[in-house]
Amino acid sequence: DIQLTQSPSFLSASVGDRVTITCRASQGISSYLAWYQEKPGKAPKLLIYAASTLQSGVPSRFSGSGSGTEFTLTISSLQPEDFATYYCQQLHSFPLTFGGGTKVEIK
Amino acid sequence: EVQLVESGGGLVQPGGSLRLSCAASGFTFTDHYMDWVRQAPGKGLEWVGRARDKPNRYTTEYAASVKGRFTISRDDSKPSVYLQMNSLKTEDTAVYYCTRLMYHASSSYYPDFWGQGTLVTVSS
Repeated sequence: DIQLTQSPSFLSASVGDRVTITCRASQGISSYLAWYQEKPGKAPKLLIYAASTLQSGVPSRFSGSGSGTEFTLTISSLQPEDFATYYCQQLHSFPLTFGGGTKVEIK
Repeated sequence: EVQLVESGGGLVQPGGSLRLSCAASGFTFTDHYMDWVRQAPGKGLEWVGRARDKPNRYTTEYAASVKGRFTISRDDSKPSVYLQMNSLKTEDTAVYYCTRLMYHASSSYYPDFWGQGTLVTVSS
């Protein structure tokens, strides 16, 4: 199975900060990676797919990059509504797997 | 408006069975693969399985943790996708989400829409 390691698992940041989350795959997955945002009591929301394609309706302050084994999700200027938990998922091969999550909290 | 509405969750004893349903509306169901994803209380996301469409003979995929115990099916006439869960274990306790997959280039599929989830609790 492909393991995804997210870092950090927790980060504290202020409104306006630039935030970067990393997702490392245990083997190459080309660009078959997605990023989700999850808020308490709500379903996850797709932010980025194919490693760098912004899902329709998602603010442009979110961006994704990477291929192979290393990927990043960047929020260029953190907004109050962005405090949430973020997950990566590989869709390269079965079983599909998720990273452990990164919780972004207000400093 | 795309809607996915899960139902069928509840409390069940270890070893018991439960069938979850996910009713779809607002899109052409037959054009989409569907996945189930779960989240145990306070834990991360775990992919459960996939149901492909009619052109792909409704084939399925499963996580190792549920293979042989869970079965995914779909009824395009309803239109709904189902998760039959047998031989339930306490570690199956989770919120179960159904997701719609969108096709992207190079035979890749991404969950672009999620239901609100239904809670399954396995406990004696």
